[in-house]
Amino acid sequence: EIVMTQSPATLYVSPGERATLSCRASQSVSSNLAWYQQKPGQAPRLLIYGASTRATGIPGRFGGSGSGTEFTLTISSLQSEDFAVYYCQQYNNWPLTFGGGTKVEIK
Amino acid sequence: QVQLQESGPGLVKPSETLSLTCTVSGGSVSSGSYYWSWVRQPPGKGLEWIGYIYDSGSTNYNPSLMSRVTISVDTSKNQFSLKLSSVTAADTAVYYCVVLVRGSPWFDPWGQGTLVTVSS
Repeated sequence: EIVMTQSPATLYVSPGERATLSCRASQSVSSNLAWYQQKPGQAPRLLIYGASTRATGIPGRFGGSGSGTEFTLTISSLQSEDFAVYYCQQYNNWPLTFGGGTKVEIK
Repeated sequence: QVQLQESGPGLVKPSETLSLTCTVSGGSVSSGSYYWSWVRQPPGKGLEWIGYIYDSGSTNYNPSLMSRVTISVDTSKNQFSLKLSSVTAADTAVYYCVVLVRGSPWFDPWGQGTLVTVSS
């Protein structure tokens, strides 16, 4: 099973600032990586797939990059609605696995 | 756009079988284009893929749960179901039904989720 490790566990950011979240795979997953956002009491929402392609309706301030084992989710200018938990997920190998999440909190 | 809604008991006793149903609208569970999936999330913790069913009968389960999981489909009701046997407190979680598009195995869309608590 591919283990996904996200860092940091919690990221403190001021509104309007840039947030950079990391996700590392225990072995190469090529570009087969997705990112999700989850707000309290809600189901996760797909943000990014293919490591860098935004899902339908996702604002341009969300960007994904990376390949192989190292990936980054960047939120260029944090809005109030972006404070949430973010998960990465690899789909290169079965079983599908998620990272442990990064919580983005207000600084 | 496919929409999903989970239903089932919110409380299950230890050693018993957890049973949940997902009702699908906007799509057919008979469609070979989708993998009908379950994902769970223990309170305050991360996400775990449980398994999926497609083509009205083919399944793929997470090895960590494979010995206890059964996913099935009811085409007449356009529903798919999850059964998890011999549950313990560690199975307490929010259970989500989710769509995986065949060939594009990321999770979208998700049901709203249902909390199942294992307790006597």
